[in-house]
Amino acid sequence: NAGVMQNPRHLVRRRGQEARLRCSPMKGHSHVYWYRQLPEEGLKFMVYLQKENIIDESGMPKERFSAEFPKEGPSILRIQQVVRGDSAAYFCASSPSRVYSNQPQHFGDGTRLSIL
Amino acid sequence: DQQVKQNSPSLSVQEGRISILNCDYTNSMFDYFLWYKKYPAEGPTFLISISSIKDKNEDGRFTVFLNKSAKHLSLHIVPSQPGDSAVYFCAARLLLQGAQKLVFGQGTRLTINP
Repeated sequence: NAGVMQNPRHLVRRRGQEARLRCSPMKGHSHVYWYRQLPEEGLKFMVYLQKENIIDESGMPKERFSAEFPKEGPSILRIQQVVRGDSAAYFCASSPSRVYSNQPQHFGDGTRLSIL
Repeated sequence: DQQVKQNSPSLSVQEGRISILNCDYTNSMFDYFLWYKKYPAEGPTFLISISSIKDKNEDGRFTVFLNKSAKHLSLHIVPSQPGDSAVYFCAARLLLQGAQKLVFGQGTRLTINP
C-alpha cells in the first residue's frame, strides 16, 4: 500500500468539529476514490474524483460531507459538524487515467476517525 | 441493498490445505471482479481479478473461478500458509457513464492453523 498516501492515520474529533482527511494518489494515477468502512462491514463507495472534477458522488451523504481533488495537492475529504456515526475507517484508492482499464484500484492504509 | 455478499464471516483452515472463499452477487452489470486481502490497521491489498467474460484466472497459489449463470465467484488458495490469515474482500466493478466504482462484500476472516 506504499503508493497511496493517506494522512493522518488516526484522527480524533469532538462532536461538532470538522474533520479533514487527505489522500495523495500513486504516482501516475489521476483518479481518486473514497470509501468508508464501518466496524465489521465491507467498504462502501463514497465519491470518485479526477483532477478538479467530481465524477460520481452518489455514495456520499448530501449534508456535511464534501470532497475535492485540486489541480495541485492531495485530494481532501471534509466532514463538517461531525457526529458519533461518522466514526469509521476512511480509505482512499487511486487508479490510472483510463476508466475502462482493467488496472485495479490501489488503496492507502486509511484514516481512522474517532468522534468523542 | 447488498449487491455483493460474502456469507461466511469466518473460515478456519489447516496449513497446507485448500482455502475456498465464496462470494455471490446480484447485479448483472458488474463487468470485473476482484479479491482484496486486508490485514488489521492496513488498507486492502489487491490479490487477483477476473473479467466477466472469463471463468477462471490463476496466479500462483491463487485461483479465482466465476460462474456467471449462478452469479457466484470463489477464491481458492492452495496450499494455504499462515501468512494468508487475513480478511478477504470480494469486490465487483460497476461502470456507469464514464465512472467506475467498486462494490464490496462484507469480508471473510480467514485463519490458517499450523
